[in-house]
Amino acid sequence: NAGVTQTPKFQVLKTGQSMTLQCAQDMNHEYMSWYRQDPGMGLRLIHYSVGAGITDQGEVPNGYNVSRSTTEDFPLRLLSAAPSQTSVYFCASSYWGANSPLHFGNGTRLTVT
Amino acid sequence: GQQLNQSPQSMFIQEGEDVSMNCTSSSIFNTWLWYKQDPGEGPVLLIALYKAGELTSNGRLTAQFGITRKDSFLNISASIPSDVGIYFCAGQLWDGGSQGNLIFGKGTKLSVKP
Repeated sequence: NAGVTQTPKFQVLKTGQSMTLQCAQDMNHEYMSWYRQDPGMGLRLIHYSVGAGITDQGEVPNGYNVSRSTTEDFPLRLLSAAPSQTSVYFCASSYWGANSPLHFGNGTRLTVT
Repeated sequence: GQQLNQSPQSMFIQEGEDVSMNCTSSSIFNTWLWYKQDPGEGPVLLIALYKAGELTSNGRLTAQFGITRKDSFLNISASIPSDVGIYFCAGQLWDGGSQGNLIFGKGTKLSVKP
């Protein structure tokens, strides 16, 4: 039972490079989201999706793009990485509706130099 | 935007001690969740609360949904070494028409007393 799978686990980028963080879930969850976690800041929502073809911005969307072409996958794209995007990124998913807590992946640790 | 105030920020525990932490908000929620995060892993759900006044236990963990819907606490009884980690509260407002996104507290870091 895989749950929420994130790849890669670690990544180092140079400023200006682009990359895609992958997230896949096998629980048929409608809702998927991306958070970043920084020391002392807790978890902050970047983007979320309530179903295939539907995405919206969270609290800190600048510098990130997302798409949701299938129910299972929700990739996060950094078009031009900046040092301020050094963080740990978590993908999470849940069913759509009340009484549906989020399930998290194990994170991607990104360093931008 | 909405903010959750989680306290304490950190605490040291000795095996066998009881631990308490809480979250307060200026806004109401209709769901409170408590997560634990171990190093190098994602947060894992401990307890979910869906009703004001609800008191729910999960083993040595007990959490309550405040009657005002603006606060929640988590207690851990008779702590053990594997309780160390970061505990997050999260609130959600679900209005039946749209799923509100989770708002997270900044975490309480539990460490073992030296």
